[in-house]
Amino acid sequence: DGGITQSPKYLFRKEGQNVTLSCEQNLNHDAMYWYRQDPGQGLRLIYYSQIVNDFQKGDIAEGYSVSREKKESFPLTVTSAQKNPTAFYLCASSIGTGNTGELFFGEGSRLTVL
Amino acid sequence: QKEVEQDPGPLSVPEGAIVSLNCTYSNSAFQYFMWYRQYSRKGPELLMYTYSSGNKEDGRFTAQVDKSSKYISLFIRDSQPSDSATYLCAMRVYGGSQGNLIFGKGTKLSVKP
Repeated sequence: DGGITQSPKYLFRKEGQNVTLSCEQNLNHDAMYWYRQDPGQGLRLIYYSQIVNDFQKGDIAEGYSVSREKKESFPLTVTSAQKNPTAFYLCASSIGTGNTGELFFGEGSRLTVL
Repeated sequence: QKEVEQDPGPLSVPEGAIVSLNCTYSNSAFQYFMWYRQYSRKGPELLMYTYSSGNKEDGRFTAQVDKSSKYISLFIRDSQPSDSATYLCAMRVYGGSQGNLIFGKGTKLSVKP
């Protein structure tokens, strides 16, 4: 089945540790995105990538880093510089970046910092 | 004023009711309007998409855009318990990319049997 796979679903981290969230897609989509969702805040864009080896900062990129070495993979690293990392993280992809607007989302990763 | 405003609810209705979900926006350049549905602990999925003004119907769902009032709505007829979810509006300008998609905060809907 085609789709987006995020792992792990649940992750606990101690303060000061970096953690990497995995996102893999087999939809052959060019563009991939990372969003953060907090209660009462909606979805906020962290980073997005339109092609391999290229990515752009979103609205809340501080404390996060990404890489796009392969078309199907877009991992997100939450660094110790992120002041409030506990959140639900969603990865998404789209065919291109200028089409109808359909984003395909993964099931999310919930990160809790202890 | 935030670019997109959406009442977070929660909204609770009996089964069979007509539901109206709404968003207002401030940027008159927005041309693409979307509604996503998100079940608990899942990622959102696209429900309806509208370009510019007008209505669009898909089964029990109708999306409406009023650009003069900067107001969009999603109507659900004959609501079912399976419609219980959070509904997110999203919009962007013409020529913009999905990287420029602006989401509302979402409205949590509960349909009681």
